[in-house]
Amino acid sequence: KAGVTQTPRYLIKTRGQQVTLSCSPISGHRSVSWYQQTPGQGLQFLFEYFSETQRNKGNFPGRFSGRQFSNSRSEMNVSTLELGDSALYLCASSNAQAGETQYFGPGTRLLVL
Amino acid sequence: AQSVSQHNHHVILSEAASLELGCNYSYGGTVNLFWYVQYPGQHLQLLLKYFSGDPLVKGIKGFEAEFIKSKFSFNLRKPSVQWSDTAEYFCAVTTGGSYIPTFGRGTSLIVHP
Repeated sequence: KAGVTQTPRYLIKTRGQQVTLSCSPISGHRSVSWYQQTPGQGLQFLFEYFSETQRNKGNFPGRFSGRQFSNSRSEMNVSTLELGDSALYLCASSNAQAGETQYFGPGTRLLVL
Repeated sequence: AQSVSQHNHHVILSEAASLELGCNYSYGGTVNLFWYVQYPGQHLQLLLKYFSGDPLVKGIKGFEAEFIKSKFSFNLRKPSVQWSDTAEYFCAVTTGGSYIPTFGRGTSLIVHP
């Protein structure tokens, strides 16, 4: 099976702009989660989508949003970018069962100038 | 809400040294425990996990972890590290019926020859 893919891999934006990141899960996985990884904070959970519905949400401002399509592909959008949004954004897919492994993509590294 | 603490943020070892990375969680109910590893430039991937049964879990590349319920701990061990073990290590926990893990802040391990 192909792994989780994310596009783009690298992105440079300026403050105030918006950005959209894309994630394609492993075939058959209906759950897609997004995480923000920074050196000081580790992995912080943004939100999770299952069958096109947001089922779980972390403690991030409303500038961070997402959606999931019928083929389970997911997008994450960040509006009005701030310098502190610079991070590695990871997408993970799973079978959505308790104890199941999360399978991570390579991430999108976002730099906000 | 559950939380995960990794006490060692940076660890530097020589090859052949023994490794133990600490992980403690705060949750009184049923847990599933994970260690993920992120090698330089690679995806975050599962190293091992505890779901039920034998509290001593063996993973890939000679790693093992022991679940001690009374101490709320899931420490990662390896008797003899190699240079190729240089990576960032994340402990994670899911609780109850949830499949969304809470991650610790990670431990950066550097092994020098």
